Amino acid sequence: SQELEQSPQSLIVQEGKNLTINCTSSKTLYGLYWYKQKYGEGLIFLMMLQKGGEEKSHEKITAKLDEKKQQSSLHITASQPSHAGIYLCGADIGISGYALNFGKGTSLLVTP
Amino acid sequence: DTEVTQTPKHLVMGMTNKKSLKCEQHMGHRAMYWYKQKAKKPPELMFVYSYEKLSINESVPSRFSPECPNSSLLNLHLHALQPEDSALYLCASSVRTGLNNEQFFGPGTRLTVL
Repeated sequence: SQELEQSPQSLIVQEGKNLTINCTSSKTLYGLYWYKQKYGEGLIFLMMLQKGGEEKSHEKITAKLDEKKQQSSLHITASQPSHAGIYLCGADIGISGYALNFGKGTSLLVTP
Repeated sequence: DTEVTQTPKHLVMGMTNKKSLKCEQHMGHRAMYWYKQKAKKPPELMFVYSYEKLSINESVPSRFSPECPNSSLLNLHLHALQPEDSALYLCASSVRTGLNNEQFFGPGTRLTVL
């Protein structure tokens, strides 16, 4: 199965600071998804990346997929308390793409 | 309507009870999923339905029984559960199965088995 490693495991940043979360795969990614989850709640879809070198942005969040399609990063600019939560990267499982295999998540806390 | 709804939000049940979780979407998606998420762990796939047919059962014990009555509705019937089955149960849907189909998740049902 495809293993996804996320780093760091947890992150505490001061409001206004930038931060980066990484997601690394042991195999080439067919598709890479970023989700955000508040504790005990459902997952909110952020972005999907498909092509090597692809970069997408939404508001203050930017996600990139490297050329080899084995590593993705999520960058938050000028963090706010509303960015707090757990960030999960997910990848299509194999060619059939039936479901998502998730990394263990990165817990983000933004302090005033 | 661009959301996945799940009911109930919370459920507490005994090991001899029978209960059901319900998931609904009206986005015209033809693929629906059940995931189980334990505390501080990522979601783990349980079942996949594609065009109302069960496509994948990830070796889930028979005390969990999924049902897809129509393209908008997905149920998870629970019977004789164990305390270790306590978790957040997430439902998701996508346009179809296959690569590069983002999944939309519901808010989850928090299940506690006593």
